[in-house]
Amino acid sequence: NAGVTQTPKFRVLKTGQSMTLLCAQDMNHEYMYWYRQDPGMGLRLIHYSVGEGTTAKGEVPDGYNVSRLKKQNFLLGLESAAPSQTSVYFCASRALALAGELFFGEGSRLTVL
Amino acid sequence: QQQVKQSPQSLIVQKGGISIINCAYENTAFDYFPWYQQFPGKGPALLIAIRPDVSEKKEGRFTISFNKSAKQFSLHIMDSQPGDSATYFCAALKETSGSRLTFGEGTQLTVNP
Repeated sequence: NAGVTQTPKFRVLKTGQSMTLLCAQDMNHEYMYWYRQDPGMGLRLIHYSVGEGTTAKGEVPDGYNVSRLKKQNFLLGLESAAPSQTSVYFCASRALALAGELFFGEGSRLTVL
Repeated sequence: QQQVKQSPQSLIVQKGGISIINCAYENTAFDYFPWYQQFPGKGPALLIAIRPDVSEKKEGRFTISFNKSAKQFSLHIMDSQPGDSATYFCAALKETSGSRLTFGEGTQLTVNP
């Protein structure tokens, strides 16, 4: 049982480049989330989805876009990367009935030069 | 707006000692308070959680104490071990459809041998 899988695990970009982070979950969860983790700032929600075909903004959505074309996948895109987007990105999912129990992937470390 | 404030930011404890991490929340509508544990290079994972109808919940060496009137809750790790060294996040939410977890800033715990 893989749980939540994120790819890639590491990526270095130059300012202005674009990229997509992929999150896949095999638990048939309705809800999926993208967070970024920065030192001293905890986990900040970027975007989330409450089901296939839906997306919504979180706390820090600017500079990011997301798509959920399939229930098991949640993609996070950076159209024009900036150094401020250097961070560790975590995807998470949860079942409909268990609002407080998130299952996280192992993270994707992104560096923007 | 930071609705859950966590302290301390870092904590060093000797093996066998008690680790205490504190959180305070603002929104009185919150009704579920989980703690997440994150080891280096991994995603956070649910450790223990409490609802405000009880003042304490214990699971092994981990205990949550909850003070509804003060809007505070804390994690106590008894007989701390080097394997407990991790980052701990408190969180809170109101368990309604579509509700999202609000995380504290995180506490990096180091347990020295």
